[in-house]
Amino acid sequence: EPEVTQTPSHQVTQMGQEVILRCVPISNHLYFYWYRQILGQKVEFLVSFYNNEISEKSEIFDDQFSVERPDGSNFTLKIRSTKLEDSAMYFCASSPSGGRGELFFGEGSRLTVL
Amino acid sequence: GQSLEQPSEVTAVEGAIVQINCTYQTSGFYGLSWYQQHDGGAPTFLSYNALDGLEETGRFSSFLSRSDSYGYLLLQELQMKDSASYFCAVGGTYKYIFGTGTRLKVLA
Repeated sequence: EPEVTQTPSHQVTQMGQEVILRCVPISNHLYFYWYRQILGQKVEFLVSFYNNEISEKSEIFDDQFSVERPDGSNFTLKIRSTKLEDSAMYFCASSPSGGRGELFFGEGSRLTVL
Repeated sequence: GQSLEQPSEVTAVEGAIVQINCTYQTSGFYGLSWYQQHDGGAPTFLSYNALDGLEETGRFSSFLSRSDSYGYLLLQELQMKDSASYFCAVGGTYKYIFGTGTRLKVLA
């Protein structure tokens, strides 16, 4: 069964460093999303991406964040200068049509900022 | 803005029926989704309601009342493996906002 894959599963970084989280969405999906979840809290929307551009972004997704789809398969989230409060699980999700509320999530990348 | 409220925790015994409620406030509404998340895992899609009424998928059912901005997830014949967090979500196409989550504990 097709699945969303994310790498790395866990990354530890120093405050102020740049990190790139990678995702390979399901191949025939058109809509891509990044969410984050601080331990024990709700899943928070960061950004959505369609047709090679950002469709929506939340107030969390400030200038230190960027997304890219560098080729036909990968979808990346870059955090330019990490802060302690960026420590969270980051989930990538994709959807074939965007509608019907069905997002397919990857297993997540746990980011720890020291 | 958008907000979704759920009870923080629900406890039930194996074999029982449990209902997890979700009330929402949103500027634009397309539908209500439900997701299950086991500890350390990813959210997995359970159901979606775009119209009022009940949708049934096996042991799980989901209900929506758009006039009341309210929905619920009904889990029947509870099993130990149903112990997880459950999130409702609203949105459409480009943005889905998740609720506060309900932690379900199933007791033997």
